[in-house]
Amino acid sequence: NAGVMQNPRHLVRRRGQEARLRCSPMKGHSHVYWYRQLPEEGLKFMVYLQKENIIDESGMPKERFSAEFPKEGPSILRIQQVVRGDSAAYFCASSPDSYQETQYFGPGTRLLVL
Amino acid sequence: EDQVTQSPEALRLQEGESSSLNCSYTVSGLRGLFWYRQDPGKGPEFLFTLYSAGEEKEKERLKATLTKKESFLHITAPKPEDSATYLCAVQASGYKLSFGAGTTVTVRA
Repeated sequence: NAGVMQNPRHLVRRRGQEARLRCSPMKGHSHVYWYRQLPEEGLKFMVYLQKENIIDESGMPKERFSAEFPKEGPSILRIQQVVRGDSAAYFCASSPDSYQETQYFGPGTRLLVL
Repeated sequence: EDQVTQSPEALRLQEGESSSLNCSYTVSGLRGLFWYRQDPGKGPEFLFTLYSAGEEKEKERLKATLTKKESFLHITAPKPEDSATYLCAVQASGYKLSFGAGTTVTVRA
């Protein structure tokens, strides 16, 4: 039973480029969450999505960041015009439901902005 | 805003030397408290979920307990492979998890 899959595992971008991070939830899971782990900081919630719907994006920066979870295919976290401060590990988690359900995490995408 | 504080920040143990990690929290309406283990360069690995005060759960050398204000993760007779960062998270308002900064445990053979 495959776990949460994320790709790429490592991504290098120059300032001003776009970064696209992909997440495939566990089989049977319809809820996806994105978290960011900045160097020397804890995991911070960014956004919660269900298929074709953004439920809570309260942790997402207002500009340059967007997320989607289409009817078909993986969830995408998109960062436009990246800056050095975007360098971090981005983790995706999934759950079968949201209420009291355990969130299972993927291996993360390490983004480095040069 | 939900507050989660973990202590100590780092813990160095000799193999077989039991110890406890603390997670104190301030939330309104706790839905669940979660413990994860994170190895360097990897994603958090789920360990336990606790829902109500007085609840306890065990897995191999690990035991998690919950009170109304804090949770403890007890490590009994640890082995070097127990070396990792242990993360505590709460789910209160909404769906998101609010994480503590973690406790990095190093077990020496």
